[in-house]
Amino acid sequence: EIVLTQSPGTLSLSPGETATLSCRASQSVRSNYLAWYQRKPGQAPRILITGASNRAAGIPDRLSGSGSGTDFTLTISRLEPEDFAVYYCQQYGSSPLTFGGGTKVEIK
Amino acid sequence: VQLQESGPGLVKPSETLSLTCIVSGVSISNYYWSWIRQPPGKRLEWIGNIYYSGTTNYNPSLESRVTISLDTSKNQFSLKVGSVTAADTAVYFCAGGAGWLPGFWGQGTLVTVSS
Repeated sequence: EIVLTQSPGTLSLSPGETATLSCRASQSVRSNYLAWYQRKPGQAPRILITGASNRAAGIPDRLSGSGSGTDFTLTISRLEPEDFAVYYCQQYGSSPLTFGGGTKVEIK
Repeated sequence: VQLQESGPGLVKPSETLSLTCIVSGVSISNYYWSWIRQPPGKRLEWIGNIYYSGTTNYNPSLESRVTISLDTSKNQFSLKVGSVTAADTAVYFCAGGAGWLPGFWGQGTLVTVSS
């Protein structure tokens, strides 16, 4: 199975700053089928990015995904209070689907 | 679209964990429906999915103990995990999507395995 490694584990930033989250795969992700999710306590995970770089419906353009093969990045520009959460990457190109360990973006 | 997990929050070791996901706002037809879990302090783990036709796919790590099924008349789907141990303690999520990617999720329900 594909192992996804996210870094850093925690990112401490101030509102208005830019967050850069990394997701590295143990082998190439087929067709760049890599998604990013946001998760807040007590809420359903929210999908942000599919296919490595396609924003899901309703996701602001402050959030962008990039990368291919084994290295992927989620960038959140101009951090707003609602952006402070845990972010997960997930590959859906190979079975079993697998998730990264998460990056927590916290207020500095 | 709303998904709501329901089922016992406490299951005894060696028994069967049973959860149901009630889907509202969309027909259960023409989508893939997944179960995903997150044990305390660990990463999310995909359990498996089912297509509206009834075709299932399971994580090999759990396949021998897991069954996912559909009830189209009630617009819901279910998960059964047999012979549970403490390692099956987790928040369980149901999710759905047009393909294998889980695009919309429930809030999750905590299931604890303990005597």
